[in-house]
Amino acid sequence: KAGVTQTPRYLIKTRGQQVTLSCSPISGHRSVSWYQQTPGQGLQFLFEYFSETQRNKGNFPGRFSGRQFSNSRSEMNVSTLELGDSALYLCASLNLGGTEAFFGQGTRLTVV
Amino acid sequence: DAKTTQPPSMDCAEGRAANLPCNHSTISGNEYVYWYRQIHSQGPQYIIHGLKNNETNEMASLIITEDRKSSTLILPHATLRDTAVYYCISQGAQKLVFGQGTRLTINP
Repeated sequence: KAGVTQTPRYLIKTRGQQVTLSCSPISGHRSVSWYQQTPGQGLQFLFEYFSETQRNKGNFPGRFSGRQFSNSRSEMNVSTLELGDSALYLCASLNLGGTEAFFGQGTRLTVV
Repeated sequence: DAKTTQPPSMDCAEGRAANLPCNHSTISGNEYVYWYRQIHSQGPQYIIHGLKNNETNEMASLIITEDRKSSTLILPHATLRDTAVYYCISQGAQKLVFGQGTRLTINP
């Protein structure tokens, strides 16, 4: 079956703009998590959605937000982009047992 | 903060077993130990997880000490394609807290 799909793969935005990233989980998975990866901070948890509700949240400012739709697809939004938001953004979907997270290939965002 | 401690880097010869250690001395009784790896520029890949018993799958074996304060991931016959950063995580899969991991280099 298809894996986790993230779109777009690459994105270039300018400071002050906003961006929306999309994640389609593995069919049947209802939990979607988002992570940010930067060379300096490594992989950091952003938030997790389950059945359209945010269930867990990391320590990121309110400019980072997300949502999940009834088909489990999820989007994350970053408003008022800063140079430091340049990163690889990864999405993961959790299996029904809640024990394995499957990651997508990520969206590489560059803010100039 | 990550609740695990791993060596920053390790080397292993191709064809040999790679043994990656991890300390998780503050692990709670109901927390699993997870191992993921990340090959350059790709998303992390799940390897294995366990609670207190040793586990084995087609990729690796996981040995957890009896007191659950440490574990070892074993790649039985390392290949060049196993070169990656390996992460040991001792929290729930809903909210993975990654440390810096171990950069494993398999040498020919």
